[in-house]
Amino acid sequence: EPEVTQTPSHQVTQMGQEVILHCVPISNHLYFYWYRQILGQKVEFLVSFYNNEISEKSEIFDDQFSVERPDGSNFTLKIRSTKLEDSAMYFCASRLLTGELFFGEGSRLTVL
Amino acid sequence: GESVGLHLPTLSVQEGDNSIINCAYSNSASDYFIWYKQESGKGPQFIIDIRSNMDKRQGQRVTVLLNKTVKHLSLQIAATQPGDSAVYFCAENMDSGNTPLVFGKGTRLSVIA
Repeated sequence: EPEVTQTPSHQVTQMGQEVILHCVPISNHLYFYWYRQILGQKVEFLVSFYNNEISEKSEIFDDQFSVERPDGSNFTLKIRSTKLEDSAMYFCASRLLTGELFFGEGSRLTVL
Repeated sequence: GESVGLHLPTLSVQEGDNSIINCAYSNSASDYFIWYKQESGKGPQFIIDIRSNMDKRQGQRVTVLLNKTVKHLSLQIAATQPGDSAVYFCAENMDSGNTPLVFGKGTRLSVIA
C-alpha cells in the first residue's frame, strides 16, 4: 500500500539552528502539505504546495519556514532559525486532486 | 476563530459498547468531511469521509452522520474494541481545489476492557 514517508522520525536541535524535515509523498499525488501538532493539541495547517509552488499558507508559516520540492519525489520543510516554540510533530501529507489526505507518521522536532 | 470543534474532549466506553463522537463545524461552504484516528506517536489515519450531498455513510463498524442544517458531524463506532482507543479528529474542507483541511481539537476515546 502506498504511503507518505517522513525522515527523520525525531530531530533534536539547538535553538537558532536550521532544520530540514524530509518527506516523500505518494508518487501520483498532486497536492502536498505540511501540518504540525504541538503536544496534546490539534493538528494545524502550515502550508500547501501544488504545481511546484506554494498555494496556501497559514499565519504560522512565517519567513523562517520554507518548502521545496527539489526533485520529483521529495518535499522538504526547512526552518531557518528554530525557536523553542517550534517543538512539535510535523506531518507531511499528500493527496490526489480531491479526496482523502494521506499523512505520514510525522517527524518529532525538539528544540532545546 | 476556529471553524471546527468538538463537544467532548474525552470519552470512555466499555468494550463492546457503541461510541459516538461529535463534531461541530462553522464553515457552511465546506463540502467534504473526514474523520481521522490518531494513535499515540503516529500520524492521523483516515477512517471515513462524507461529502455534503450525503447524510450518512457507513464503513466497517463505523458510521458518519452529517447534519448540514445544524452543521454537525458525528462518528459512530459499533462494538468498540480496545484497539479503537485513540484521539479522533474531525476535519473539513472544500473538496475541490486546494483549500487546506481544517482539524478540530480531537476527542480522546478510551475503551475500558
